[in-house]
Amino acid sequence: ETGVTQTPRHLVMGMTNKKSLKCEQHLGHNAMYWYKQSAKKPLELMFVYSLEERVENNSVPSRFSPECPNSSHLFLHLHTLQPEDSALYLCASSQVGEETQYFGPGTRLLVL
Amino acid sequence: AQTVTQSQPEMSVQEAETVTLSCTYDTSESDYYLFWYKQPPSRQMILVIRQEAYKQQNATENRFSVNFQKAAKSFSLKISDSQLGDAAMYFCASLLNNNDMRFGAGTRLTVKP
Repeated sequence: ETGVTQTPRHLVMGMTNKKSLKCEQHLGHNAMYWYKQSAKKPLELMFVYSLEERVENNSVPSRFSPECPNSSHLFLHLHTLQPEDSALYLCASSQVGEETQYFGPGTRLLVL
Repeated sequence: AQTVTQSQPEMSVQEAETVTLSCTYDTSESDYYLFWYKQPPSRQMILVIRQEAYKQQNATENRFSVNFQKAAKSFSLKISDSQLGDAAMYFCASLLNNNDMRFGAGTRLTVKP
């Protein structure tokens, strides 16, 4: 695997389900990000982890819970989501001190 | 707060011709970075070009170049010799030192054969 990978690529879940999105970067980076891309809205930064420490939250609802066990892996745990949470969730990584972010292919989430 | 504005929701260009996508931003910081990303139908965000605000010289990557006007807070993307594979959504983004990247709403580029 190369670059940034995300699994699953598509996910359908009910409002009472609990699921997790996974992101893995193979670039040797030490910062990782979660973004939300909704229809007709700019990308929204949700969470930032730098050197495995969370540095940005952006007032994301608590039904989204990130986890960064090491510099290569990032998870987004989902529970009791709402239909308006349906979106494309993008993961990105970068090297601290080098500003370019590299993105994964995204997970398309549909909440019923 | 920083904001990024792309005033062209859609643009089209004839194959082999040149097109310019507009972007303006608003930040009070003096040190920042600017990016253009491309998002084809596969939804993968791909870096097209980046510009450091402290550099006066406009960045160039093959057929892609920018016109960076710092005083006007303008950062337009020029695509020369447009190809069918250039068709995508293009997003302008600004990044401050705090890892906070802000994106514009995007411009959908259509390339006509």
